[in-house]
Amino acid sequence: EAQVTQNPRYLITVTGKKLTVTCSQNMNHEYMSWYRQDPGLGLRQIYYSMNVEVTDKGDVPEGYKVSRKEKRNFPLILESPSPNQTSLYFCASSPRGARGEQYFGPGTRLTVT
Amino acid sequence: GNSVTQMEGPVTLSEEAFLTINCTYTATGYPSLFWYVQYPGEGLQLLLKATKADDKGSNKGFEATYRKETTSFHLEKGSVQVSDSAVYFCALLDNYGQNFVFGPGTRLSVLP
Repeated sequence: EAQVTQNPRYLITVTGKKLTVTCSQNMNHEYMSWYRQDPGLGLRQIYYSMNVEVTDKGDVPEGYKVSRKEKRNFPLILESPSPNQTSLYFCASSPRGARGEQYFGPGTRLTVT
Repeated sequence: GNSVTQMEGPVTLSEEAFLTINCTYTATGYPSLFWYVQYPGEGLQLLLKATKADDKGSNKGFEATYRKETTSFHLEKGSVQVSDSAVYFCALLDNYGQNFVFGPGTRLSVLP
């Protein structure tokens, strides 16, 4: 089954404790993105990747890191989480030639206390 | 920068009513336009798209037409069902195929 998976689905952590949210897709897609969803703000792009070893900042990259060492994986790293990073996070992928036709993962709800 | 504005709702309709959710955008050049839908507890799903002016995207009874002159991409459906209850997001992909911008979303509730 074609899908984007994220782990964990739910996470509660404390300020300053490094964490990684994994994202994996099995569709051989070139493009991958991370978004955060906050009430009244819709989805905002954090980082995106056009291909392996190619990443770029989205609209709200501060406090986040990403890497794209393999085509299928695009982990999101919070080196020192803060309460303002409490949010619902989505990973998405899309194929070459159809950048806008994104497949979304189920989401990761992160709470930073 | 690029932006998308849409009515935030919530929108509450009775089953079989006509639906319109307004969406306008600001962007340079010729972006591609999309409507995504998010059902409760799930990720977003692509509903329909249009890649150039005057294109009409359609899917599952929903339609939207890319209007360059009014920079709009309004979503319509002639007869909504309870199962259409969800949050609808208008979005654009810029000219260069890199920057993806979503609107704030419109929550739709359809009552039986």
